[in-house]
Amino acid sequence: DAKTTQPPSMDCAEGRAANLPCNHSTISGNEYVYWYRQIHSQGPQYIIHGLKNNETNEMASLIITEDRKSSTLILPHATLRDTAVYYCIVRVNTGGFKTIFGAGTRLFVKA
Amino acid sequence: GAVVSQHPSRVICKSGTSVKIECRSLDFQATTMFWYRQFPKQSLMLMATSNEGSKATYEQGVEKDKFLINHASLTLSTLTVTSAHPEDSSFYICSARWTGTEKLFFGSGTQLSVL
Repeated sequence: DAKTTQPPSMDCAEGRAANLPCNHSTISGNEYVYWYRQIHSQGPQYIIHGLKNNETNEMASLIITEDRKSSTLILPHATLRDTAVYYCIVRVNTGGFKTIFGAGTRLFVKA
Repeated sequence: GAVVSQHPSRVICKSGTSVKIECRSLDFQATTMFWYRQFPKQSLMLMATSNEGSKATYEQGVEKDKFLINHASLTLSTLTVTSAHPEDSSFYICSARWTGTEKLFFGSGTQLSVL
């Protein structure tokens, strides 16, 4: 699976949009981009995933560049409860579905 | 949404004893379950993948005789840490998926402390 690069930490003001970048320059054509988050001392939570097109759900939006070498997770109105470590993962959707976590970005939402 | 229940949430044991951690999928049949461990301030490290009815596949460097994984049914997988030592103290997390979904659903984790 392709490796990803994320900033180690970011701050965001409560109520503002949080934009979390991820570089995956070696992504293959059949690899999807997944985002999970982990709130302190809990198991990770699925947020969103996509292949080429931008995606939106009730939690977030995922913007994938046309060359697919990078993506951005957008939390439109961050709240204090969004403080967590956010993991960007690239993975194929076949085979064993093995999911390897990188270091992630620690997002601090401040009042 | 899909729920994965993990028990116990916290366990303290003496060195040399064995500890069993259970992971249950409450509202779906988990064809594949994954076990991770996580040290403080570090990311999740995949330990093994288990498919119902077959032997688990361990990641490189993970001792299969020390971390016994059983996936005997479509709703239950167990991780047994045998002869636990202080260096096995960690946060253990399971995850599960069913055929037809690309998402993983995670348990709430088990904090193991070996004295």
